[in-house]
Formats: sequence, structure tokens, C-alpha cells
Amino acid sequence: AQSVTQPDIHITVSEGASLELRCNYSYGATPYLFWYVQSPGQGLQLLLKYFSGDTLVQGIKGFEAEFKRSQSSFNLRKPSVHWSDAAEYFCAVGLPNNAGNMLTFGGGTRLMVKP
Amino acid sequence: GAVVSQHPSWVICKSGTSVKIECRSLDFQATTMFWYRQFPKQSLMLMATSNEGSKATYEQGVEKDKFLINHASLTLSTLTVTSAHPEDSSFYICSAFRGSQGGSPLHFGNGTRLTVT
Repeated sequence: AQSVTQPDIHITVSEGASLELRCNYSYGATPYLFWYVQSPGQGLQLLLKYFSGDTLVQGIKGFEAEFKRSQSSFNLRKPSVHWSDAAEYFCAVGLPNNAGNMLTFGGGTRLMVKP
Repeated sequence: GAVVSQHPSWVICKSGTSVKIECRSLDFQATTMFWYRQFPKQSLMLMATSNEGSKATYEQGVEKDKFLINHASLTLSTLTVTSAHPEDSSFYICSAFRGSQGGSPLHFGNGTRLTVT
């Protein structure tokens, strides 16, 4: 069965600093990969997704993620964090054999931003 | 704007009563919707897949008689928590698949916080 690991439960960065959130997956082939953001008490908003092709994916709000097959990773990055980026971030995988829309989520990383 | 609407956003009910949560796709038809449950400070766990016009598919460990799912139309799925107990208190989130291509992203509702007293 597929699994998703987000090693960092909490991360604190200063506003303006760069950010990298880690995501590793376990699956026999290349799954569809997603990053979602969740503000407190809210649903999830899609930041970006990877299906195939260019391994560096650009998303909304200045986020990007890079798929590295050799490391089974899909880390999320942002060059300069804003206070409004404080939220919970979830990495997810979808399996191509079910159209990729049944998602398995990682445990989430809570991002806190220091002024 | 939001493409999936979930209602209510929060509900408090007494133990033993039933609660219905609605999930609507606003400007598209969703033959498949998904219901997730999220405990505080934890990730989302898929509860069931709601299929329009047929029975829902439940994940292992989810009681189908307790969490009734009805997907009566292409834009509406409902989750009814029957005979709710305090341990059912949680954040419930629905999502809908928009698109025909494999891997098209899911759109999520804003969730429903259920508190059972």
C-alpha cells in the first residue's frame, strides 16, 4: 500500500526566510503528487500538483515543489515566507490506477512564521 | 471562489442524536465525492467514497451503519452520523473530483466541525 511521510511535524521560520517542507512517499510506481494547505478550521486548498513531465512544479502563492524519483520525494519550497503562510501543509499521493483522485495524505507539517 | 460547499460549518449535538452534513459541488457535476475525517492536529483519513446512484465504498474500520452516505444527485452528497457519541466529535471534510483527466485535483469543502456532548 502507498504511504506518505512528512518528517517534520512543526517548522518555524522567520518572515522573509526560505522554506522547505519535506515529503517522502512509498509506492511501486510514480504516483500523482499534491501539496495542500489548510488554515485553521478550514478545508484544504491545492497549492500544486505533479503528474508527469517537468519535475519542478510551480504552484500558487509563490510555492514550488520538485519531484525526485531517486529519493521518492516531493519537497515543497518557497524562497521568501510571508506571515500569511502560517498554516498546516499536507502532502498527498493519488494513484494513477484509480484516476489519482483517491488521496492518501501525509501527517502534515504545521508552519509557524516569526515576525 | 469555492467550488465545493459544505454545510453546516459547525454543529453541536447531544449524544444519541443524528447529524446530517451536506457536500455540494457548486458549478460542476461530481459523480464521485470523498468524505474525510480529521482529528485535532492529525492528518485526514479517508472514510468513504461516495458514488452517485450507487452505494458508498467504505474504508476499513469505518462503520457503514453509523456513517450513512447518500449521493442522490450529481451535485450533492450527504453524510449522516447516526446515534452520535462524543468519540464521533471530529472535523469532517468532503471533497469532489472535478474533471475527466486522471489526477485532476480534488476540491475540498471547508469542513464541518462536529461536537457531540
